Amino acid sequence: DADVTQTPRNRITKTGKRIMLECSQTKGHDRMYWYRQDPGLGLQLIYYSFDVKDINKGEISDGYSVSRQAQAKFSLSLESAIPNQTALYFCATSDSASGGPTDTQYFGPGTRLTVL
Amino acid sequence: GQNIDQPTEMTATEGAIVQINCTYQTSGFNGLFWYQQHAGEAPTFLSYNVLDGLEEKGRFSSFLSRSKGYSYLLLKELQMKDSASYLCAVRDWDRGSTLGRLYFGRGTQLTVWP
Repeated sequence: DADVTQTPRNRITKTGKRIMLECSQTKGHDRMYWYRQDPGLGLQLIYYSFDVKDINKGEISDGYSVSRQAQAKFSLSLESAIPNQTALYFCATSDSASGGPTDTQYFGPGTRLTVL
Repeated sequence: GQNIDQPTEMTATEGAIVQINCTYQTSGFNGLFWYQQHAGEAPTFLSYNVLDGLEEKGRFSSFLSRSKGYSYLLLKELQMKDSASYLCAVRDWDRGSTLGRLYFGRGTQLTVWP
């Protein structure tokens, strides 16, 4: 089984709809992240959470919200989807207490979201 | 802020060596990562440098010069499967954190020809 899972893997929705993307991990990591990736652009950080009680905005948080329901679960919501939120969304996790290259981020398989 | 610059595209032939450069400017450098990303897939971790010098891992090596704000990823004995986007990411100190968060470059799309 994959260590970091994302649901759904693909989603097509209409402008104005509220949608939620979910991320779960079995790695036991304390930190979780949501990124979006647009063609030709790098990964842009939307929100990140260093533990269950810690939520931080990233570079492009407007129009998004998150919930860290448990250490293993981190959800991203689009309150009212708009076409320019069409992108590939990745969840990632990292372990602040790991040895070796500390805080290496491990990515889920991604969710392809299309807003019509 | 953080400025991370890497070439948009590179091409090479199978069996060759290619070097992908990355330059960066950060306010509180705390490590540099390289990730590989095949089209439509998740980025996967390749290498990490926090001290100056070369880190070698099989066919892949990564170099860092903190004084120059410069890193490169060296891929040897190229294979077709190495065709992918290579992302340079810099970790910068973050408020209240002992480690920081990552800032990604736009990626270098490498195409390996037979």
